[in-house]
Amino acid sequence: EVQLVESGGALVQPGGSLRLSCSASGFRFRNSAMHWVRRAPGKSLEYLSHISGDGATTFYVDAVRGRFTISRDNSNNTLYLQMSSLRSDDTAMYYCTKDSERGDHFDYWGQGTLVTVSS
Amino acid sequence: DIQMTQSPSSLSASIGDRVTITCRASHTIGAYLNWYQVKPGTAPKVVIYGASTLPSGVPSRFSGSGSGTDFTLAINGLHPEDFATYFCQHSYNTLYTFGQGTKLEMK
Repeated sequence: EVQLVESGGALVQPGGSLRLSCSASGFRFRNSAMHWVRRAPGKSLEYLSHISGDGATTFYVDAVRGRFTISRDNSNNTLYLQMSSLRSDDTAMYYCTKDSERGDHFDYWGQGTLVTVSS
Repeated sequence: DIQMTQSPSSLSASIGDRVTITCRASHTIGAYLNWYQVKPGTAPKVVIYGASTLPSGVPSRFSGSGSGTDFTLAINGLHPEDFATYFCQHSYNTLYTFGQGTKLEMK
């Protein structure tokens, strides 16, 4: 059974940093591209970033490029999102998702971890 | 950037009803359109991918149609567990934009 479990969400002050983790199991982690998606309160889902299976290729949307860094540890089946220069509009539930084999949809999601940016 | 416009933003329906949700892309995206179901406190779930393909384990009362710019998600015979928020998403490029969401509520 595929499982994705996010952790690391917390209350952090504006300008602060946080690292989210996503522990994966039930599939060949190193063979799967992975993504981060967030949902701010009352808002839609917002795509953030992805990383290839080998970690060599990454992508970020403009809203987080230069502030967030996606990475992975294939020996420990863990995906990360390092977030810095956090702002109030980064407050959201953060989800890690697994890319499908077809590469055209996200076939599994975690339950999310909540990040609140507030003073 | 490709914008995704969903309608309606909310929908009130009863058990057993048939409901449809539409999604329009600002540019043609072929069949690169997915639908996700989101419920509070649970992991989001894909219910349709590739515009019309039903993933394994998703009930056959869910169906998707459309291509190019206009797409529809239909649920034929609502069950209690179907009340949730639904989002469309394009996968035409790596920006993977989502629609604004449709909250399906019980009447």
